[in-house]
Amino acid sequence: NAGVTQTPKFQVLKTGQSMTLQCAQDMNHNSMYWYRQDPGMGLRLIYYSASEGTTDKGEVPNGYNVSRLNKREFSLRLESAAPSQTSVYFCASSELGLARGWDTQYFGPGTRLTVL
Amino acid sequence: AQSVSQHNHHVILSEAASLELGCNYSYGGTVNLFWYVQYPGQHLQLLLKYFSGDPLVKGIKGFEAEFIKSKFSFNLRKPSVQWSDTAEYFCVANRDDKIIFGKGTRLHILP
Repeated sequence: NAGVTQTPKFQVLKTGQSMTLQCAQDMNHNSMYWYRQDPGMGLRLIYYSASEGTTDKGEVPNGYNVSRLNKREFSLRLESAAPSQTSVYFCASSELGLARGWDTQYFGPGTRLTVL
Repeated sequence: AQSVSQHNHHVILSEAASLELGCNYSYGGTVNLFWYVQYPGQHLQLLLKYFSGDPLVKGIKGFEAEFIKSKFSFNLRKPSVQWSDTAEYFCVANRDDKIIFGKGTRLHILP
């Protein structure tokens, strides 16, 4: 039981390059999330998917796209990376979603992205 | 705007000292509150949560938190810390499909 896994762990991009961060969970959870964490800041929600086939914007969606490929996988794409997107990205999953406010989220190990 | 404030960004304590990490939120009405912890080299994980009932909630590893509605606070406590409590702690609030993290408190325990 791996929980939530993310690939890659580290990535360096040049401005304007594109890339996709991958996330998978094996807990049969309905909801999945992408966050970013910047120095001195808490995690901020980029996008989330309440269930397979649905996605919604979070607090900081600009510059990102997401795909809920199936119940297990939720990817985050940067189409044209910018230095402001240098951050640590966390994927998470939960059984019930944000609408059930008491729901516990389970986090992946994070991806450290640097955009030069 | 909705916000979660953690009072201390960096706390250093000796083993066996008592701990209290402050957290205040700006939401009105019903709110669900969490403390998550990230130990060095590990994933972020739930420490404890409050959503209704007894305002004193107990979590893993001897931690507890008290929800005080009149003060909009959800402070985390532990009577006697251990070196293994060294970690970053996040207070989190969830209401109306919005989830807000505090900026985190780095706790360093001296052996």
